[in-house]
Amino acid sequence: DGGITQSPKYLFRKEGQNVTLSCEQNLNHDAMYWYRQDPGQGLRLIYYSQIVNDFQKGDIAEGYSVSREKKESFPLTVTSAQKNPTAFYLCASSIESPRTGSEKLFFGSGTQLSVL
Amino acid sequence: GQNIDQPTEMTATEGAIVQINCTYQTSGFNGLFWYQQHAGEAPTFLSYNVLDGLEEKGRFSSFLSRSKGYSYLLLKELQMKDSASYLCAHSGYSTLTFGKGTMLLVSP
Repeated sequence: DGGITQSPKYLFRKEGQNVTLSCEQNLNHDAMYWYRQDPGQGLRLIYYSQIVNDFQKGDIAEGYSVSREKKESFPLTVTSAQKNPTAFYLCASSIESPRTGSEKLFFGSGTQLSVL
Repeated sequence: GQNIDQPTEMTATEGAIVQINCTYQTSGFNGLFWYQQHAGEAPTFLSYNVLDGLEEKGRFSSFLSRSKGYSYLLLKELQMKDSASYLCAHSGYSTLTFGKGTMLLVSP
């Protein structure tokens, strides 16, 4: 089955700790994205990547970091600098590049991050 | 970023028709998407409009007016499983911008 796999489903972070959320896709998509979703809010873009070894900041990149060493993988690290990390994190991919206007997104099942 | 407005919540009865509206800033328009999201789950693609007019896909239809910066999602023959959040997303100069979503509650 082709798709996007996020893990873990639930994650808890201690104060001052960095945590990494995994995102793997086998759709052969070039573009990958990380979104944050808070209750009553829309999806906000954290980072996106159009190609391996390249990524761009989204609207709320502060306190987060990413890497794109392989086409299939786009892990997100929530650093200790992110003071309000509790949220639902969604990874997505698209066959079209961003800014084409037609990038249909395929989403993973999400990771709920909470602070202990 | 681009502002997108959609109602926060709507209620409807099983078997009825409901229309969810979405307005956006018209500059730099490329396409308008609708996604469905059940609580705690991933959004799933419903429709994509780039030209004016109505796109019909089974019980769901989506309409776009580029000059008015306006779109709507029409759901017919509502079922209980249609209770979900419906996200409008606009493609402008950069990556997609999402609205806050409309929570639709379908009652028996």
